[in-house]
Amino acid sequence: DVKVTQSSRYLVKRTGEKVFLECVQDMDHENMFWYRQDPGLGLRLIYFSYDVKMKEKGDIPEGYSVSREKKERFSLILESASTNQTSMYLCASTLADQETQYFGPGTRLLVL
Amino acid sequence: AQSVTQLDSQVPVFEEAPVELRCNYSSSVSVYLFWYVQYPNQGLQLLLKYLSGSTLVESINGFEAEFNKSQTSFHLRKPSVHISDTAEYFCAVSDYNQGGKLIFGQGTELSVKP
Repeated sequence: DVKVTQSSRYLVKRTGEKVFLECVQDMDHENMFWYRQDPGLGLRLIYFSYDVKMKEKGDIPEGYSVSREKKERFSLILESASTNQTSMYLCASTLADQETQYFGPGTRLLVL
Repeated sequence: AQSVTQLDSQVPVFEEAPVELRCNYSSSVSVYLFWYVQYPNQGLQLLLKYLSGSTLVESINGFEAEFNKSQTSFHLRKPSVHISDTAEYFCAVSDYNQGGKLIFGQGTELSVKP
């Protein structure tokens, strides 16, 4: 079974802090994604990556950056957390474009 | 740009009743279509998908969805729901050659009552 793990289930940070969210997949998938999930808005794509050291902006990249130094790991970085970044963050990976995306359990981030 | 609309944000039903969760997407170009389910306090997991071939696709737990190209719809149905089907359901679309990038709908919260 594919496993996608995220470093924390719950996180509380203060405004202005730098926040790192880590995601690891164990199936040698090429493509990895970061989404945020908000009630009534569904999932919105923040960034994605097709390969190591490659990254592409999704629909809402402002205030975020990413890092993919190893194939199995995709990190989301909030350079200076703000209260409007309070949300559920979901990581996913997939082998190819028509294949299933496998999701991690999510990180619920609260920025005070 | 591609967009996905789930017409109902909440659908309350009684156990053993039929249910339909509606999904429409904006573009008629070639697409892949997905339904994902999110049980409480969990990540999303794939329920079923349409890639090509038969327009009716089924899941292992009794859900089915029909791809209707002329109406750009991919509605999800189940003839008889169980309490355990209570979850949030997301419709998603992916254009060909987009590296698996998905556009999600807003989600439909299915609540099955005894």
